Amino acid sequence: KAGVTQTPRYLIKTRGQQVTLSCSPISGHRSVSWYQQTPGQGLQFLFEYFSETQRNKGNFPGRFSGRQFSNSRSEMNVSTLELGDSALYLCASSLAQFTDTQYFGPGTRLTVL
Amino acid sequence: AQSVAQPEDQVNVAEGNPLTVKCTYSVSGNPYLFWYVQYPNRGLQFLLKYITGDNLVKGSYGFEAEFNKSQTSFHLKKPSALVSDSALYFCAVRPPASGTYKYIFGTGTRLKVLA
Repeated sequence: KAGVTQTPRYLIKTRGQQVTLSCSPISGHRSVSWYQQTPGQGLQFLFEYFSETQRNKGNFPGRFSGRQFSNSRSEMNVSTLELGDSALYLCASSLAQFTDTQYFGPGTRLTVL
Repeated sequence: AQSVAQPEDQVNVAEGNPLTVKCTYSVSGNPYLFWYVQYPNRGLQFLLKYITGDNLVKGSYGFEAEFNKSQTSFHLKKPSALVSDSALYFCAVRPPASGTYKYIFGTGTRLKVLA
């Protein structure tokens, strides 16, 4: 079974621009979560989607948004990029149940100049 | 506030020696506990999880973890370390079903296995 895929793997943007990252979950997985990983803050939860509905949201500003499509693929968008948004953005998918394990993609490395 | 602590930023161990990576948590109820490993420029890989039952959980690559409810700990262990085990290890807690499905991650512990 193919794993979680994320595109693009690397991205360079400038301040003020916006960016869209994509995540394709493992086939059959209906839940997708997004995390931001930085050396200083570690892994921070952004949001989780299940059946196209946002189920949980972390403490990030409204510039960070996401959505999930009917095929469970998910996108996250960051508008008005700031230097501090430079990070590894990780997507994780799970079947659906509360005890399900999350499986992570390789991440998208975003650099904001 | 709910939290997960990995008290050691780095653990060094000689190849062939046993290793322990520590994790403690502060979460009400009976949480679900996970360990993940991250290699450079890669996403996180699942190692093992504790949901209920036997306090000793066996996982991938020879790793195991011991759940201790009284000490609210979930330490990761391996009887004999390999150089290839060198990586960043994350402990994660998922609070019991109460409307939230969020994972709480520790800050990570870098494991260095020396040849």
